[in-house]
Amino acid sequence: GNSVTQMEGPVTLSEEAFLTINCTYTATGYPSLFWYVQYPGEGLQLLLKATKADDKGSNKGFEATYRKETTSFHLEKGSVQVSDSAVYFCALSGLVSWGKLQFGAGTQVVVTP
Amino acid sequence: DTGVSQDPRHKITKRGQNVTFRCDPISEHNRLYWYRQTLGQGPEFLTYFQNEAQLEKSRLLSDRFSAERPKGSFSTLEIQRTEQGDSAMYLCASSLGSGGPRETQYFGPGTRLLVL
Repeated sequence: GNSVTQMEGPVTLSEEAFLTINCTYTATGYPSLFWYVQYPGEGLQLLLKATKADDKGSNKGFEATYRKETTSFHLEKGSVQVSDSAVYFCALSGLVSWGKLQFGAGTQVVVTP
Repeated sequence: DTGVSQDPRHKITKRGQNVTFRCDPISEHNRLYWYRQTLGQGPEFLTYFQNEAQLEKSRLLSDRFSAERPKGSFSTLEIQRTEQGDSAMYLCASSLGSGGPRETQYFGPGTRLLVL
């Protein structure tokens, strides 16, 4: 079945540092890939998505590229802010059931001033 | 477009009691999803509706759980005879479409349930 694996957290960074969160997946065919962010006490917000190989999703300075050859969708940001402190979830939906999202366990990011 | 709303935001109940949660999707969204999120984990799919039809239920959804979307708008999730293991955040999401790679779900703030 489908699965998503994320790097474990917490990831602690200083402000303006470079952030990478690794995400790899297992799926049949070509799934759609998503990054969601969850701020403390809140629901999930869609950060970015990609629906086919080599697509790059981007939003708010974050980027992720759909790599079919390595089955990866790593999230990156060049210069983090304290306000980026949150839990980040990688997710996919695929052929078995489009729309039924399969999430990774989440990666907590803590950015210090 | 006011986003997905959920009510209540927090619920504390005693073991054995019944609880009901409500989700109002984004207006005009025909699909509605329920997920459960336990501490330190990603959300897990429970069930989803297309309009008023419940199309899929996870094996996580035991007989004590029931979900409805009677008029294809808001949805309710009821848990009967709650157990401590039901303590979790219950998330609702909605989307527009008939299924496909471009479908995007938008989540509500969640209902946090604590069963004592």
